[in-house]
Amino acid sequence: QSVLTQPPSVSAAPGQKVTISCSGSSSNIGNNYVSWYQQLPGTAPKLLIYDNNKRPSGIPDRFSGSKSGTSATLGITGLQTGDEADYYCGTWDSSLRKVFGGGTKLTVL
Amino acid sequence: EVQLVESGGGLVQPGRSLRLSCAASGFTFDDYAMHWVRQAPGKGLEWVSGISWNSGSIGYADSVKGRFTISRDNAKNSLYLQMNSLRAEDTALYYCAKDSSSYPNDAFDIWGQGTMVTVSS
Repeated sequence: QSVLTQPPSVSAAPGQKVTISCSGSSSNIGNNYVSWYQQLPGTAPKLLIYDNNKRPSGIPDRFSGSKSGTSATLGITGLQTGDEADYYCGTWDSSLRKVFGGGTKLTVL
Repeated sequence: EVQLVESGGGLVQPGRSLRLSCAASGFTFDDYAMHWVRQAPGKGLEWVSGISWNSGSIGYADSVKGRFTISRDNAKNSLYLQMNSLRAEDTALYYCAKDSSSYPNDAFDIWGQGTMVTVSS
């Protein structure tokens, strides 16, 4: 049982938009920045979004992040087959431990 | 090139010990906090432990506290995880990850490829 709650799976057609939610509490998301990680099949996780809505260099602007209260959302527009991956949200809790969501598997139909 | 390379994984019997290492290159190692994150087969990510740039701030997940010890050698650009009293549930791919801050409280911007630890008799 993960501290942060994500939907197990989402799907959409190529070119469409999808959102992935991440729900937490005041002891984690409510008082800390959220980051998002993309894990392509068979590879290590990669930072996609940090500080709720910032993109590292090299991450296309098709990927966006937002946070409101104790929830965060990852948005992906112009879906490509190469976006098929597991996506994880992460933040810190009040005991200064990193917590992750259970992960969301994105399928591009 | 910024790189993290883990080593030291393998097959170990329950109750035994193992020491993982992570060699860093391409960035100023002693400017950043570092972490260990694990992923059991077919499961999600679980943070294991983190250490600040100067080893002054260290944290552990409840699942490993008292059994695992994180350390770093800034002169060798290396991060370590000493794992004692290993259990079957510690079986996972262990990733080394770089924090984007000098204290363990920010996003993980660089990840290694992982080293597999299997605990089984």
